[in-house]
Amino acid sequence: NAGVTQTPKFQVLKTGQSMTLQCAQDMNHEYMSWYRQDPGMGLRLIHYSVGAGITDQGEVPNGYNVSRSTTEDFPLRLLSAAPSQTSVYFCASSFSGLREDEQFFGPGTRLTVL
Amino acid sequence: GQQVMQIPQYQHVQEGEDFTTYCNSSTTLSNIQWYKQRPGGHPVFLIQLVKSGEVKKQKRLTFQFGEAKKNSSLHITATQTTDVGTYFCAWGFQKLVFGTGTRLLVSP
Repeated sequence: NAGVTQTPKFQVLKTGQSMTLQCAQDMNHEYMSWYRQDPGMGLRLIHYSVGAGITDQGEVPNGYNVSRSTTEDFPLRLLSAAPSQTSVYFCASSFSGLREDEQFFGPGTRLTVL
Repeated sequence: GQQVMQIPQYQHVQEGEDFTTYCNSSTTLSNIQWYKQRPGGHPVFLIQLVKSGEVKKQKRLTFQFGEAKKNSSLHITATQTTDVGTYFCAWGFQKLVFGTGTRLLVSP
């Protein structure tokens, strides 16, 4: 199993551009989520999904959209990039959204917005 | 709202010394998870505690959940250079919340 994969690994955007960060998992996990990590801070939840077709907001959802059309994929869309969105983005998955399970994290996408 | 403090923010030890990081909450937690993130890497799950007073051990690592389920600690005995990284506590159900982390540096 590849686990949780994320693409791209690095990305530089200009203010106002849009892009999609890809996340996929091959463990048949129901729960998937997106976090951002800023220097000196912990991870903050952006959006999460407990199954295909179901998404919900986390702590910092503004400026981001998600959809979950399949169990495997959970893309994160930046609608109009801003410098404040410069961060490291991690996708994570777990077996079920119905209990507290360990989270498996992807390698991250390092995003810079100029 | 619920506030959880993780202390210390940073600790630098000599190899062989012990290390402890703490998570303290203002309210009762349903569970606590611990993760380790190596420099430049991604968080990796270490353990989950759910019971009051629970203690779990993984080799040199000892995890505790307080009797009132408001605090937790991670203790590393005789640190090694491979222990370098940031240790996070996290809690919650579906909306997992992470502490700010404790960065551990180990000098040989």
